[in-house]
Amino acid sequence: SQQGEEDPQALSIQEGENATMNCSYKTSINNLQWYRQNSGRGLVHLILIRSNEREKHSGRLRVTLDTSKKSSSLLITASRAADTASYFCATDPGNNRLAFGKGNQVVVIP
Amino acid sequence: NAGVTQTPKFQVLKTGQSMTLQCAQDMNHNSMYWYRQDPGMGLRLIYYSASEGTTDKGEVPNGYNVSRLNKREFSLRLESAAPSQTSVYFCASRRNSGGEQYFGPGTRLTVT
Repeated sequence: SQQGEEDPQALSIQEGENATMNCSYKTSINNLQWYRQNSGRGLVHLILIRSNEREKHSGRLRVTLDTSKKSSSLLITASRAADTASYFCATDPGNNRLAFGKGNQVVVIP
Repeated sequence: NAGVTQTPKFQVLKTGQSMTLQCAQDMNHNSMYWYRQDPGMGLRLIYYSASEGTTDKGEVPNGYNVSRLNKREFSLRLESAAPSQTSVYFCASRRNSGGEQYFGPGTRLTVT
């Protein structure tokens, strides 16, 4: 089945720096979504970008989508200690299912 | 709104025992999902229900059964638990295809 794959898998940054994560996928999609998971919790939806969109912003989050390269990136600007979490991309091919990547662990050092 | 709730939060089973994980949502969503999360494997879809009265297999359905009891509730049953089913189980729901999913807090299951 189709899956998003995040890169890098683990990232450690200082508070105030930007964090960038990439996601690649293999087949066509209707949209791509990013989720955050704090330790021991369920996933929380962050942002959705449709296949006909190239860039989307939400607060300190910026997502890009390049359907020709089958890739997406998530940028968190001015990171905070509270951004420490795992981040997952998920692709929606339009079959009422999402395919999740393995996740990206981000540690923000105060 | 409570969102998506799951019970129990933790469970320890012996090999061969059975149990049912419960999930309920109060957002009037049509679709509901069961995932398992294992270290280094991300989330894998076990079963889903696109609408009340329908269920379909996901990536890893073997050893599990589901019931979409009504629009609110979607349960996952392990008939004969195996150590390979040790995992964290998440239930999720969404209004319609194409939107975001809302997740429950998870059930941590250990099978010894």
